[in-house]
Amino acid sequence: NAGVTQTPKFRILKIGQSMTLQCTQDMNHNYMYWYRQDPGMGLKLIYYSVGAGITDKGEVPNGYNVSRSTTEDFPLRLELAAPSQTSVYFCASSYATGGAYSNQPQHFGDGTRLSIL
Amino acid sequence: RKEVEQDPGPFNVPEGATVAFNCTYSNSASQSFFWYRQDCRKEPKLLMSVYSSGNEDGRFTAQLNRASQYISLLIRDSKLSDSATYLCVVNMGGLSGGSYIPTFGRGTSLIVHP
Repeated sequence: NAGVTQTPKFRILKIGQSMTLQCTQDMNHNYMYWYRQDPGMGLKLIYYSVGAGITDKGEVPNGYNVSRSTTEDFPLRLELAAPSQTSVYFCASSYATGGAYSNQPQHFGDGTRLSIL
Repeated sequence: RKEVEQDPGPFNVPEGATVAFNCTYSNSASQSFFWYRQDCRKEPKLLMSVYSSGNEDGRFTAQLNRASQYISLLIRDSKLSDSATYLCVVNMGGLSGGSYIPTFGRGTSLIVHP
């Protein structure tokens, strides 16, 4: 059981380049999330999805885009990389978090360490 | 006011000590609560859920106080391997469709020394 898989693990980009961070999960979770974590700081939510075809903005969505065409995959797109986007990016998934499923924890991938120079 | 607040520490304690962390949250509609552990440059991993009546898992005890809107984590008989950052997570409500989105605190750093 692979859980949540993120690729790549490390990447260096030049300013203005674009890239897609991949995330896939094999637990049939409805909800998926993208976070970024800057040094010494907590996790900030970028985007989330409550199911295939449904996405919504989190706390820090500017400069990013997402799509959710399948239950398993939730890629994060950086269109014009900026130095401020240097961070560690974590993808997570969970079952639905409301009602009877309110106590469902998140499962995280290993993270992608992204540097923009 | 931040939605989920934690004292960043670090808490520096000797092996065998008992240490407690608190976490306050602002949204009274919050439904579920968790403590995660994060080792340096690694992904967060679930330590324990926090239930209304309080719960214990070995040396770890979690408590919830809804009236005062805080949760706590108590670690007894600290081990060197407990050194990590402890993240408080609150599933906050009020979103359309009944979704509760996890909101993270900044984390509390614990250093256990010999």
